[in-house]
Amino acid sequence: KQEVTQIPAALSVPEGENLVLNCSFTDSAIYNLQWFRQDPGKGLTSLLLIQSSQREQTSGRLNASLDKSSGRSTLYIAASQPGDSATYLCAVRPYNTDKLIFGTGTRLQVFP
Amino acid sequence: EAGVTQFPSHSVIEKGQTVTLRCDPISGHDNLYWYRRVMGKEIKFLLHFVKESKQDESGMPNNRFLAERTGGTYSTLKVQPAELEDSGVYFCASSQEVGATEAFFGQGTRLTVV
Repeated sequence: KQEVTQIPAALSVPEGENLVLNCSFTDSAIYNLQWFRQDPGKGLTSLLLIQSSQREQTSGRLNASLDKSSGRSTLYIAASQPGDSATYLCAVRPYNTDKLIFGTGTRLQVFP
Repeated sequence: EAGVTQFPSHSVIEKGQTVTLRCDPISGHDNLYWYRRVMGKEIKFLLHFVKESKQDESGMPNNRFLAERTGGTYSTLKVQPAELEDSGVYFCASSQEVGATEAFFGQGTRLTVV
């Protein structure tokens, strides 16, 4: 059974810091891994999608890496800003299914 | 282009009542998914439609939940009768193809059963 874990559960940092959010999964048989952002009371915004054949994806200040064999992904946020404050979720799509398995998320607060 | 839209954004109902949630996927997306997050837990899959057909309903908690997608466009999720443990946020998502494509989520419906 696929399980997804995110560490840390919460993080509070001053503006300008570079951050690393971690996601681990127990079964490497996945199609892809997706990182989302959720603002309070809002839906999920897709940030990055990494296919199983890829090692990393970049979008602006965000960089996500994937090491499928070790069951790990990291989301790197460069030069954090208060507007980055949100909950960050990772989710994997296992082989032979079309559903996403979510982690519990990392709640990030960036203070000025 | 409009994203995934869900109605209502909030619903408060009494135990035993019926509630119907609606989801309008992104136009052209054949795949529609329902997920749920209950308090303190991770988001969990409920079911998956491909057009109007249920592809996977393994996550539906019990027979009080009924999902439909008539005509392969919008979908409804009805809870009848609602119980206290049904409270949570219900998310809908859509994707263009199965497998390797990106899933896009709606803003969710927060359901509170009192």
